[in-house]
Amino acid sequence: AAGVIQSPRHLIKEKRETATLKCYPIPRHDTVYWYQQGPGQDPQFLISFYEKMQSDKGSIPDRFSAQQFSDYHSELNMSSLELGDSALYFCASSLARVATDYGYTFGSGTRLTVV
Amino acid sequence: GEDVEQSLFLSVREGDSSVINCTYTDSSSTYLYWYKQEPGAGLQLLTYIFSNMDMKQDQRLTVLLNKKDKHLSLRIADTQTGDSAIYFCAVNSGGYNKLIFGAGTRLAVHP
Repeated sequence: AAGVIQSPRHLIKEKRETATLKCYPIPRHDTVYWYQQGPGQDPQFLISFYEKMQSDKGSIPDRFSAQQFSDYHSELNMSSLELGDSALYFCASSLARVATDYGYTFGSGTRLTVV
Repeated sequence: GEDVEQSLFLSVREGDSSVINCTYTDSSSTYLYWYKQEPGAGLQLLTYIFSNMDMKQDQRLTVLLNKKDKHLSLRIADTQTGDSAIYFCAVNSGGYNKLIFGAGTRLAVHP
C-alpha cells in the first residue's frame, strides 16, 4: 500500500541557508501535518493543511513557511537556518481531517542537520 | 494548553510484562494512540483506543483508559528484546486533529 513519502531523507545545510522539505500524502488524503522532532525530544506539531488551506498552526518559527499544492503534496520551506533547527521532520497525512482508528500515517521523516 | 506526560524510562526483564503510563489534559481527545520509535527510525503506530472504550487488547498489547483520571496505559505481555524502543503516547487535539505527544518512554529489555 502507498505510504506517505518524504524527500529528501537526509539533508545537510549550513547556517543561514534555506531548505525545502517535501511531503507526498497517501492518495486521496487531503490533510497534511508537519511535526519537528529534536534530538531526544517528542514530536512537536508545526502546521497542518486541509484542502490546500492552512488549518492549524503550532510552534512553527516565522522563518518557516509551508503550503499544500493542488496535487495535495506539501512543502516546508525553512530559511535562515539555525543550528537548533537540526531535527527529524515528519509529515503525516489523513483523510478529511478526521481522527480515525488507524491514526495518522507518518512518513519516514527528513533528517535535517544544520552545520 | 494541552499536555501529555509519560515516565521517561522503564527497564524490564525479557519475558516479563511492561506497563507504560501516560496522562493527558485535553478531555475532548477522542482517539488516544501509542507509537513506537526505534533509534533513527520513524513513528510506527502500535495501537489506539477510542475515548468511549475502557480497554483494548491486540495480541501482546493491552491498552487501558481511565477517562475520568485522563490516564492511559500500555501493557506489553512477554516483553522481548525487539520491544526495546521509545514509546510515545499521543492524543488528538483541536478541530483539525493535530497530535500532542508525550515525551516518550524509553523501554529497555534485558536478558
